[in-house]
Amino acid sequence: QLQLQESGPGLVKPSQTLSLICTVSGDSINSGHYYWNWIRQPAGKGLEWIGRVDTTGGSNYHPSLKSRVTISMDTSKNQVSLKLRSVTAADTAVYYCARGLFEYWGRGTLVTVSS
Amino acid sequence: DIQLTQSPSSLSASVGDRVTITCQASQDISHFLNWYHQTPGRAPKLLIYDASNLEAGVPSRFSGRGSGTRFTLTISSLQPGDIGTYSCQQYHNLPFSFGQGTKMEIK
Repeated sequence: QLQLQESGPGLVKPSQTLSLICTVSGDSINSGHYYWNWIRQPAGKGLEWIGRVDTTGGSNYHPSLKSRVTISMDTSKNQVSLKLRSVTAADTAVYYCARGLFEYWGRGTLVTVSS
Repeated sequence: DIQLTQSPSSLSASVGDRVTITCQASQDISHFLNWYHQTPGRAPKLLIYDASNLEAGVPSRFSGRGSGTRFTLTISSLQPGDIGTYSCQQYHNLPFSFGQGTKMEIK
């Protein structure tokens, strides 16, 4: 059974970089041609797609975040990473990773941006 | 960007009721639409993919219809465990986008 687990600091200071890891178990992130997505959800609000990376290393990002975000894969660790630079309070949210067309999701991790 | 508008934004119904949620896309997305169910503190769970296909393990009381710009999710007989928020999502065009959600409550 494929499982995804997000991890990273729960508190990030304004202007710093938010860094999260999605660790995948139950299958190799290289098997098949899947995209690996990051999505976020501010408290009480809807879901927002952040971007994705595929097994060739190609990536796509939401235009509103493109200048600040990088998503990459580490196949040796079976992990997908998210880096969001120059964060503000508006980036406070639960961050999820999900595979492919969103059939598998991690449980999410809350990141708060505050000094 | 494609906007998805769900209606209603909230819904209160009785156990056993038939309920329908609508998702309207701002442009044609063919059948590239997912439906999710989410409860507080949990990740979204995929219910329907490609507008009308039931994800494995999802009860058959859930069904999806539509194509183009108008889509519906129907629960044929509402159960207590169906409370939570339902969201649609399009994956026809980047950036992928989600509806604002419909909050389902039991009367």
